Amino acid sequence: DGGITQSPKYLFRKEGQNVTLSCEQNLNHDAMYWYRQDPGQGLRLIYYSQIVNDFQKGDIAEGYSVSREKKESFPLTVTSAQKNPTAFYLCASSIPAQETQYFGPGTRLLVL
Amino acid sequence: QKEVEQNSGPLSVPEGAIASLNCTYSDRGSQSFFWYRQYSGKSPELIMFIYSNGDKEDGRFTAQLNKASQYVSLLIRDSQPSDSATYLCAAGRGDYKLSFGAGTTVTVRA
Repeated sequence: DGGITQSPKYLFRKEGQNVTLSCEQNLNHDAMYWYRQDPGQGLRLIYYSQIVNDFQKGDIAEGYSVSREKKESFPLTVTSAQKNPTAFYLCASSIPAQETQYFGPGTRLLVL
Repeated sequence: QKEVEQNSGPLSVPEGAIASLNCTYSDRGSQSFFWYRQYSGKSPELIMFIYSNGDKEDGRFTAQLNKASQYVSLLIRDSQPSDSATYLCAAGRGDYKLSFGAGTTVTVRA
C-alpha cells in the first residue's frame, strides 16, 4: 500500500532534550513538508524539501532541524531551543506540479 | 491579516441539510485551492481541489471559486453525521507551499 507513515504516534520530551520525528513515504513524491498544528489553529509550515539534499525554512523553523538524505524520508528534529514544542506534528508529501499535499497520520509531542 | 481566513464555527446543521463553508484569501497570486477534512485527533484528508472559477462537484461535495472576490466555498449536500469534522481551506500560489486557514468545525445533528 502506498502512503505516508509517521512514528511514533506519541512522543514525550524531557526538558533540554532533542527528539526526532520520523516521516517515510512510498508514493515516489519529490516534495515533503513538516507542519505544526496547535489547538484551534491552522497548519503552520516548519520546513519543506523539494528534492533530496535540499530543504527550505518555512514560517516557524526556529528550534527545528531537518535532513533529506533519501527521497522517501524527511525526519524532523525538535531541539531544546524550541521552548513550546507541545503540538500535533504533520508530515505531508506532494508531486510539485500538482501542489496537492497528502498527509501522514501525525505525531503528538508532549513535554514532561 | 491572515492569508486564508475561515469562520471557525461551529456550524451546526441538521442531518440531510446543506452545509455551506466559506473561505477568503488575501494573496491574488493564489492559483490552486484545496479543501481538507480533519476528524478530531486525526490528520487532514483531501476532499477536493479547484483551480478555475466556477463550480466543481464530486459526489455530495461542491467547491466554488470566485477569484475576483477571492472567495472559495464548500457545499456539503445531504449532510450526514459522519461529515462532522473540521474543514480546512488551503491556497497555493505555485511555489510548492500551501497556506491553510484555521478551519471550520461542522456538527451534523441527527
